[in-house]
Amino acid sequence: SAVISQKPSRDICQRGTSLTIQCQVDSQVTMMFWYRQQPGQSLTLIATANQGSEATYESGFVIDKFPISRPNLTFSTLTVSNMSPEDSSIYLCSVALQETQYFGPGTRLLVL
Amino acid sequence: AQKVTQAQTEISVVEKEDVTLDCVYETRDTTYYLFWYKQPPSGELVFLIRRNSFDEQNEISGRYSWNFQKSTSSFNFTITASQVVDSAVYFCARGTGANSKLTFGKGITLSVRP
Repeated sequence: SAVISQKPSRDICQRGTSLTIQCQVDSQVTMMFWYRQQPGQSLTLIATANQGSEATYESGFVIDKFPISRPNLTFSTLTVSNMSPEDSSIYLCSVALQETQYFGPGTRLLVL
Repeated sequence: AQKVTQAQTEISVVEKEDVTLDCVYETRDTTYYLFWYKQPPSGELVFLIRRNSFDEQNEISGRYSWNFQKSTSSFNFTITASQVVDSAVYFCARGTGANSKLTFGKGITLSVRP
């Protein structure tokens, strides 16, 4: 399996600001993913982040709102830009390793 | 989109009861992967099992068992002799490849009462 950490674990932010979430994994992985889980809902994929290429965004998510970096095989960041209360969610990163996806502990974001 | 349906939304059982969580998936692919994850109140997503479309063998791991039936496009999860610690939200998910993005069902909230 993989050990995945996320920072911050939670945050409370004001609308209009931006927050960058970090995801660190203890082994090199090709594919990393960012998911959003709105309150009481299931997980929805935001984008796939591959090292050395632009992130691939799912329908309904755009780079201006959720810019992603993937500087190496063990690290990625997701920025939630110009936040509104509707962005209040848990944001989870995941990695594909040994034919399984493992998830980080999540970042709980509350936007006031 | 190829959906994953978890028709049950909430299930409540008394400790030591057996409980089955249902999962039905849509697919147009020959090869696909199915997963179950557990999300306890703390929020992290815990991997439970992966199955690929070529392996219809049922699996048992302790009190957990999984029944994969391609004929009905179902991948059901049974907890035997449930315990309070089993209380969580359980998600079924599907991927085109083992390392591809996942499509999740809506989740089933399981409450196990002492």
